[in-house]
Amino acid sequence: AQSVTQPDIHITVSEGASLELRCNYSYGATPYLFWYVQSPGQGLQLLLKYFSGDTLVQGIKGFEAEFKRSQSSFNLRKPSVHWSDAAEYFCAVGAAGTASKLTFGTGTRLQVTL
Amino acid sequence: GAGVSQSPSNKVTEKGKDVELRCDPISGHTALYWYRQSLGQGLEFLIYFQGNSAPDKSGLPSDRFSAERTGGSVSTLTIQRTQQEDSAVYLCASSWRGEDTQYFGPGTRLTVL
Repeated sequence: AQSVTQPDIHITVSEGASLELRCNYSYGATPYLFWYVQSPGQGLQLLLKYFSGDTLVQGIKGFEAEFKRSQSSFNLRKPSVHWSDAAEYFCAVGAAGTASKLTFGTGTRLQVTL
Repeated sequence: GAGVSQSPSNKVTEKGKDVELRCDPISGHTALYWYRQSLGQGLEFLIYFQGNSAPDKSGLPSDRFSAERTGGSVSTLTIQRTQQEDSAVYLCASSWRGEDTQYFGPGTRLTVL
């Protein structure tokens, strides 16, 4: 079965600084990978996804992520963080090479200092 | 509608009572999912409906949990004889098909006293 690890529970960055959130997955073939963001009291909003093709994917709000098969990683990046980016970020993988039945990581809570 | 909607947004119930949670998916989406988000377990898959196929119930934690989807649209998640460990946020998601991106609703926060 697939699994996702987000090693950082909590990250604090200064506004304007760059950001990288780590995600490692476990799946034998090419996975379907996602990053979602959850603001307090809100549902999950899709930031970006990787299904196939170009390993660098662009998402909303200036986020990007790079799929690295050799490292089983799908790290999320943003060159300059805004205070409104403070939220919890979840990496997820679909079941058995599909986009269904997502398995989520435990999440990384991002705090942004002014 | 414009997005996935869920009702109620909050539900407080007493241990042992039954509860029903409702999900209205995005119009035209054939796949519908239920997930649970709790402090102890994180985000976990519960059940998946795809078109007219039999639902995938592999994530349901016990036989107290059930769900149905009427007319290929609205879904209801039912929890019978609620327990305190059922307290969580229940999230619904829908997608065009089972192979496509899932869009999530705002969730129902269930508190079992």
